Amino acid sequence: QVQLQESGPGLVKASETLSVTCTVSGGSFSSYYWSWIRQPPGKGLEWIGYMHNSGTTFYNPSLKSRVTISVDTSKNQFSLKVSSVTAADTAVYYCAKVNGGLQTDYWGQGTLVTVSS
Amino acid sequence: QSALTQPASVSGSPGQSITVSCTGTRSDIGTYNYVSWYQQHPGKAPKLMIYEVSNRPSAVPDRFSGSKSGNTASLTISGLQAEDEADYYCSSYTTSSTLVFGGGTKVTVL
Repeated sequence: QVQLQESGPGLVKASETLSVTCTVSGGSFSSYYWSWIRQPPGKGLEWIGYMHNSGTTFYNPSLKSRVTISVDTSKNQFSLKVSSVTAADTAVYYCAKVNGGLQTDYWGQGTLVTVSS
Repeated sequence: QSALTQPASVSGSPGQSITVSCTGTRSDIGTYNYVSWYQQHPGKAPKLMIYEVSNRPSAVPDRFSGSKSGNTASLTISGLQAEDEADYYCSSYTTSSTLVFGGGTKVTVL
């Protein structure tokens, strides 16, 4: 049973860089896509991007210029960075596993990141 | 990429059947059978309910079913139960090798 756990700062100042890390346990870290999804308070899900453990990355075009996803296979972790944040980046950030059928089958519990001015 | 289009809300009485639609384009739903549906209860992470248009994970009750026609996918809940009240999101793979979600549908059990 794969488990994912996000860890993040909780509060980030506007114009700075948001960083969130996801630790994966209970399964192989290889041969899947590792994804980030966010959900602003009271709103819907927004796909941010994903990375294959081989290093291939794909991003939501609307966020591509500010987002970086990286993976550290030695620690079974992958990370998200969002630069130049504004209040619109305030959201619950979920990490998730995407399998070969391109469904997001395992999700972390989510971590709320609030951007303050 | 634009979000997939879902109705904001759908409601039904216990025991009834409801259908939630999810409309995309030829760049996503119309090209691939990689359509998934997720259930989200308040304060919880989403849960995979349907994958590859119509397949159910083993733990999901068989009253949940999925289908697709052209650029539109659908989730049907038969024999609606109180615990089915939640938000539902569709998702599709796209021709840009990305994923896209729908705006979400609130299902209310009357």
